[in-house]
Parts: sequence; C-alpha cells; structure tokens
Amino acid sequence: DAGVIQSPRHEVTEMGQEVTLRCKPISGHNSLFWYRQTMMRGLELLIYFNNNVPIDDSGMPEDRFSAKMPNASFSTLKIQPSEPRDSAVYFCASSRRHTNSPLHFGNGTRLTVT
Amino acid sequence: AQTVTQSQPEMSVQEAETVTLSCTYDTSESNYYLFWYKQPPSRQMILVIRQEAYKQQNATENRFSVNFQKAAKSFSLKISDSQLGDTAMYFCAFMKHALQLGNKIIFGKGTRLHILP
Repeated sequence: DAGVIQSPRHEVTEMGQEVTLRCKPISGHNSLFWYRQTMMRGLELLIYFNNNVPIDDSGMPEDRFSAKMPNASFSTLKIQPSEPRDSAVYFCASSRRHTNSPLHFGNGTRLTVT
Repeated sequence: AQTVTQSQPEMSVQEAETVTLSCTYDTSESNYYLFWYKQPPSRQMILVIRQEAYKQQNATENRFSVNFQKAAKSFSLKISDSQLGDTAMYFCAFMKHALQLGNKIIFGKGTRLHILP
C-alpha cells in the first residue's frame, strides 16, 4: 500500500496567489482529514470527510479556505487568496470509519506564502 | 468539546534512560480512544501506541507503554531504554468512538523530546 499521498511536498507562493494542495487517501479508507500544523497552534483539524461528504468544517479558518472531495480517491484544499499567515505544514490523513482505526498521515505539504 | 493538554513543551533525557510524557484530556464521553503519535524531524506522523477507554489494561508496544487513568483523564507515555531515534515531537490524541458521527481526532500541542547521547 502506498500510504496517503500528498502533493506538492513544498509550495512557495506570493501573497494573493491561489494555492491548491492535493491528497490521495489510502484505498479503502472512507474518512479523510485535513490538518494544519504551526508552531503556535500545533495540529489543527481544518475539515474532515466521511464517504466523500464534508462532516465538520468548523476548523476552516476563513472563507479563503475551501476543500473538496469529488471521489473516494482524491481531495483538494484550496486557499484563495493566500496570505503570509497561512504558512504552515498541511497534512492530509485517512482512516476507515467504523473500525476505530487510527489516522494514517501523508508526509505533508510545507506551504510558504511570501 | 474535547480538549487534549500536554503540559511539557520540551524535554531532554540521556540515552538509555526512561522518560514519561504527560497528557490530560477533557471529555464527557465514556467510550473513546487515545493515541500517541511521534513526529521525527522528517515530519512524518507515526502512530506509536493506542488505548481503548473501555480496556483497563494499559497498552504496551515494545519499549513504549502508557499509564491510562480514566477517572483522572490522564494518558501518559513511558519510553523505556530511550534511544537516539526516539528524538521527535510526540503528540497525544483523542478520538470519540467511531460509531458516533464525527470520529475526528483531536491532538495536543505536542512535547518535543530530545534524547542526548
């Protein structure tokens, strides 16, 4: 199994630009999570999906952030327009719902907004 | 809402020593799961150990064990015979029982552990 795959691994962009982060969950996993990690706030849950449906997006910081999961094997997190305070590591994770299985994380995308 | 608190931002111990990382949590749930994740400098998030709240026996995984005190809402991680490769950030995490809608996992802010040669 390839694990959770995130792309890109690093992203550097200028303030105001649109940023799209991508995630492919582990095949057969039906829950997908987006987390943001910063020194100040630690790991924050932004949004999660069950069976491709967003369940809780209360962690999404602003309307500039949006996430989609068009099918079971792909999700995106978009920031438009990006700001320097969005700089962080963004993790995608997946799990099998109803099995109490732990999260399997991707390697994260380090986003730098200048 | 559930919260997870790790009161030790950073710790250092000598190689081969035993170290205990603290974690407390707050919840009104009776059935839930607790985890410790390790994040080495590579940034990868690695599951170290998990505990089911309905099990009284403390989980162990080789050199890693937990002290789960349900009434006190405490979930500490003990690392025995620490090794240089244990140097990492350690996160404590809480998850409600998966059969409930919304099995999201909440993380503490982490403890940075340094194993010194």
